[in-house]
Amino acid sequence: GAVVSQHPSWVICKSGTSVKIECRSLDFQATTMFWYRQFPKQSLMLMATSNEGSKATYEQGVEKDKFLINHASLTLSTLTVTSAHPEDSSFYICSSGTSGVVGNEQYFGPGTRLTVT
Amino acid sequence: AQTVTQSQPEMSVQEAETVTLSCTYDTSENNYYLFWYKQPPSRQMILVIRQEAYKQQNATENRFSVNFQKAAKSFSLKISDSQLGDTAMYFCAFMFDTGTASKLTFGTGTRLQVTL
Repeated sequence: GAVVSQHPSWVICKSGTSVKIECRSLDFQATTMFWYRQFPKQSLMLMATSNEGSKATYEQGVEKDKFLINHASLTLSTLTVTSAHPEDSSFYICSSGTSGVVGNEQYFGPGTRLTVT
Repeated sequence: AQTVTQSQPEMSVQEAETVTLSCTYDTSENNYYLFWYKQPPSRQMILVIRQEAYKQQNATENRFSVNFQKAAKSFSLKISDSQLGDTAMYFCAFMFDTGTASKLTFGTGTRLQVTL
């Protein structure tokens, strides 16, 4: 199956700073990338959908100015958490999809644990 | 909006036994996909099985099979011959069939513990 990587796997940052998370599709071109957030012992909640070269579409309740998503190439999408606060501490997971895949399967990255102190 | 409901927060099964996880969903659309994902302690999401809504035949993948009841909007997962490595969170998920990658709507998950 296709491989999606995320970097870093774990990051600790101080309140008020910004942190960038990278999501890469290693062996296929990801026309669409999804960013999910998962709190401990909870489900995945979609934050935004991004298509290469276009602005991201954010889900209701997600602050677009706080969670900046860039999808500048077919293999890389980034999520930047700006002015991070402790309540932003969570597990962030990206997934990639591409047209023509049977069943529209998405490939998930291993996730990034963000801790804001 | 689509909703996916998993009514069993936790389940336990003995090794080699069979367990069924429940999932119901709500949609007014006719073309969609349903998935079961496994999330082990590593937190890597792993696709277990996929069902196309237009297919009447239930999907199977080795020890994993589903009971897809479209009219009842039910999509349960049966794990046969449970193994210790099956211990994980299991999420049921829904996706519209748009012909391209679409967002997934997840249920709240069922934590499955396989015991000796």
